[in-house]
Amino acid sequence: DVKVTQSSRYLVKRTGEKVFLECVQDMDHENMFWYRQDPGLGLRLIYFSYDVKMKEKGDIPEGYSVSREKKERFSLILESASTNQTSMYLCASSLDGTDFNSPLHFGNGTRLTVT
Amino acid sequence: EDQVTQSPEALRLQEGESSSLNCSYTVSGLRGLFWYRQDPGKGPEFLFTLYSAGEEKEKERLKATLTKKESFLHITAPKPEDSATYLCAVHLGEYGNKLVFGAGTILRVKS
Repeated sequence: DVKVTQSSRYLVKRTGEKVFLECVQDMDHENMFWYRQDPGLGLRLIYFSYDVKMKEKGDIPEGYSVSREKKERFSLILESASTNQTSMYLCASSLDGTDFNSPLHFGNGTRLTVT
Repeated sequence: EDQVTQSPEALRLQEGESSSLNCSYTVSGLRGLFWYRQDPGKGPEFLFTLYSAGEEKEKERLKATLTKKESFLHITAPKPEDSATYLCAVHLGEYGNKLVFGAGTILRVKS
């Protein structure tokens, strides 16, 4: 089974702190994604990566950056955390961007609270 | 603008009471429609992919159907363990498997 592991289930950070959210997948997937999930808004794509050192902006990249130095690891960085970044963050991976049969596999999420 | 709308927002059913969840979309270049199930405190879990109008997929008590404008997730004789949030997402066909998600339907099945 594909496993996507997010390093923290819960995080509490202060406004202005730099925050790192880590995600690791164990199935040699090409694509990795970061979403945030807020009530009533669904999942919104922040950034995605289709190869090592490659990244693409999603729909809401402002205030975030990402890093993919190794294929299995995709990090989300909040440069200066703000209260409006309080949310559930979900990491996902999929096998191949050209294979439309390839579903996303999600981690269990990191609930981030910024105070 | 590409949009995905799910209805109802929440649905309460008695055990055994069949019903349907709706996912309507206004997107150009639809390449596929996905259904996911999400349990509290967990990430979404993949259920189905549908690619063309008229297609149907089944898994246990769930059946997903697709038309040119919407998809339905039919739940036949639901059980309490079917309680979850059901998410619909459309694949826009851009490289990287980018999905646009609806806000979800929260389903509660009471025994």
